[in-house]
Amino acid sequence: ETGVTQSPTHLIKTRGQQVTLRCSSQSGHNTVSWYQQALGQGPQFIFQYYREEENGRGNFPPRFSGLQFPNYSSELNVNALELDDSALYLCASSLFTNNEQFFGPGTRLTVL
Amino acid sequence: AQSVTQLDSHVSVSEGTPVLLRCNYSSSYSPSLFWYVQHPNKGLQLLLKYTSAATLVKGINGFEAEFKKSETSFHLTKPSAHMSDAAEYFCVVSESSGTYKYIFGTGTRLKVLA
Repeated sequence: ETGVTQSPTHLIKTRGQQVTLRCSSQSGHNTVSWYQQALGQGPQFIFQYYREEENGRGNFPPRFSGLQFPNYSSELNVNALELDDSALYLCASSLFTNNEQFFGPGTRLTVL
Repeated sequence: AQSVTQLDSHVSVSEGTPVLLRCNYSSSYSPSLFWYVQHPNKGLQLLLKYTSAATLVKGINGFEAEFKKSETSFHLTKPSAHMSDAAEYFCVVSESSGTYKYIFGTGTRLKVLA
């Protein structure tokens, strides 16, 4: 059974740029959630995707967007990067009817 | 609205002594509660979960937690700390439907002294 994978592991961007982060869900899981973990804080829910549509969103602006593909993998896109977007971005996969989420290792984004 | 409060940002224990990490929750209905551990530069690993079955929940690596509704608490304990337990620990409450999104506490950093 393959776990949740994320790519890239690290990324450095400058203010105003755009970034795409990728996540492959665990085998058999159909739902992907994204979280932002700023330094020294707990992860914050960004949004969730199920059946290729957004199924719930946290308190994040529209420049945070996502996609889910037919194989249940997902992308997180962030436009117009700001310094405060520097964080560890975590992807979690699950079954839609189950509240246990399985996390990937994360992508660390640094915005300069 | 649901929320989680981790009462200690840092906890230090000596190797071989008990561990207690405290968590209080707020929820308008019967919650699902979790404890996750995060080692440096690693993802989140599930230690244990409470989903309205037994109030004493046993997890991996000797950890356990007790759900106390009257105290709205879900404290994590381990009888004897090991050096490898040094990490960040997060208490989490989950919605009971819809997205089942996780609401994380601010974390407790556990330091284990030799």
